[in-house]
Amino acid sequence: AQSVTQPDIHITVSEGASLELRCNYSYGATPYLFWYVQSPGQGLQLLLKYFSGDTLVQGIKGFEAEFKRSQSSFNLRKPSVHWSDAAEYFCAVGANNQGGKLIFGQGTELSVKP
Amino acid sequence: DADVTQTPRNRITKTGKRIMLECSQTKGHDRMYWYRQDPGLGLRSIYYSFDVKDINKGEISDGYSVSRQAQAKFSLSLESAIPNQTALYFCATSDPGQGLGGELFFGEGSRLTVL
Repeated sequence: AQSVTQPDIHITVSEGASLELRCNYSYGATPYLFWYVQSPGQGLQLLLKYFSGDTLVQGIKGFEAEFKRSQSSFNLRKPSVHWSDAAEYFCAVGANNQGGKLIFGQGTELSVKP
Repeated sequence: DADVTQTPRNRITKTGKRIMLECSQTKGHDRMYWYRQDPGLGLRSIYYSFDVKDINKGEISDGYSVSRQAQAKFSLSLESAIPNQTALYFCATSDPGQGLGGELFFGEGSRLTVL
């Protein structure tokens, strides 16, 4: 069965510092991988996705993620965090036999210090 | 107007009451989903529908039912609400034309509290 693990429940970084949010997945074949962001009181918005090709994926708002098959990871990165990046971030995996339904990780809440 | 609209946005109810959460979309997508969000658990799928005649159970369907009244409408019902169904519920849509890499478009959520 597929699963997604986000090891960090809560991360605090200073504004301007770099950010890396971890995501590990379990799936037998090549997965479809996504990162979503949820701002307070809002629904989820897609940041980026990977399903083939270049393993370094660029997304919106200056985010990128790298797919590492050997580590079953899809970590999200940003070189310089802005206060507006404070939100909850979800990693998700999709699969061929799920018709578009995604399995989500537990989420990582990001706080940004001034 | 939002592409995916959920009503109500907030609801407080009592144990044993029947509750319906409604979702409508203007994106023209065939696929619609209901997810439940709990702190520390992320989002878990309840039901999903690939078209009006195709409805599937998700990870946590017990205690819930759904109705796909039209392409644009997908309702979630709790026949007899219980306190551990207190959660934030999200409706989402996707375009099958984008295949499995298609983005999910989410509503703003319906916060349900069962006392």
